[in-house]
Amino acid sequence: QKEVEQNSGPLSVPEGAIASLNCTYSDRGSQSFFWYRQYSGKSPELIMFIYSNGDKEDGRFTAQLNKASQYVSLLIRDSQPSDSATYLCAVIEYNFNKFYFGSGTKLNVKP
Amino acid sequence: EAGVTQFPSHSVIEKGQTVTLRCDPISGHDNLYWYRRVMGKEIKFLLHFVKESKQDESGMPNNRFLAERTGGTYSTLKVQPAELEDSGVYFCASRPSGSGSYEQYFGPGTRLTVT
Repeated sequence: QKEVEQNSGPLSVPEGAIASLNCTYSDRGSQSFFWYRQYSGKSPELIMFIYSNGDKEDGRFTAQLNKASQYVSLLIRDSQPSDSATYLCAVIEYNFNKFYFGSGTKLNVKP
Repeated sequence: EAGVTQFPSHSVIEKGQTVTLRCDPISGHDNLYWYRRVMGKEIKFLLHFVKESKQDESGMPNNRFLAERTGGTYSTLKVQPAELEDSGVYFCASRPSGSGSYEQYFGPGTRLTVT
């Protein structure tokens, strides 16, 4: 059974700090990795995706992938109170169809 | 461009009743997905349509759940008869074909409460 694991949190960081969100997955056949942000009662919205080992940066966000360790992370620099949300890690396998989600990490950024 | 919409936003029904959830994907998106999140658990895949055809329904819990996508546009998910364990948030997502991107665009979900 494919599993995607996330620490449920809450992860609390002060405003301006770096928030580090982690995700591990069990299936070595996983191909693509997505981070979604979900505010309470709203749609999950895509923050970043990553396919290749290494780092991928987009503004204040950096996704890191290590396929050998089956580990993907999301770093949020200069965290803002508006970043407070639940962050969902999602994994797609080789046929690029259904997502396997982690249970999400709740992030609180304190002013 | 309008996003994925779902109706209703919230439904409260009694055990044994029938409920139909609706999803309108982004216009032109051939791929439509249904997911469900039950309390305290992760979002789980239910099924995948490509146009009007069911591509993968391996996540459907049992035969009380029936999904349709007539005409390849909007989709409905019917639960009949509803049971207590069907309570949760039902998400719909869509994705275009052939774009080279595998991002799925999610709707806000329908919160179903079975009492």
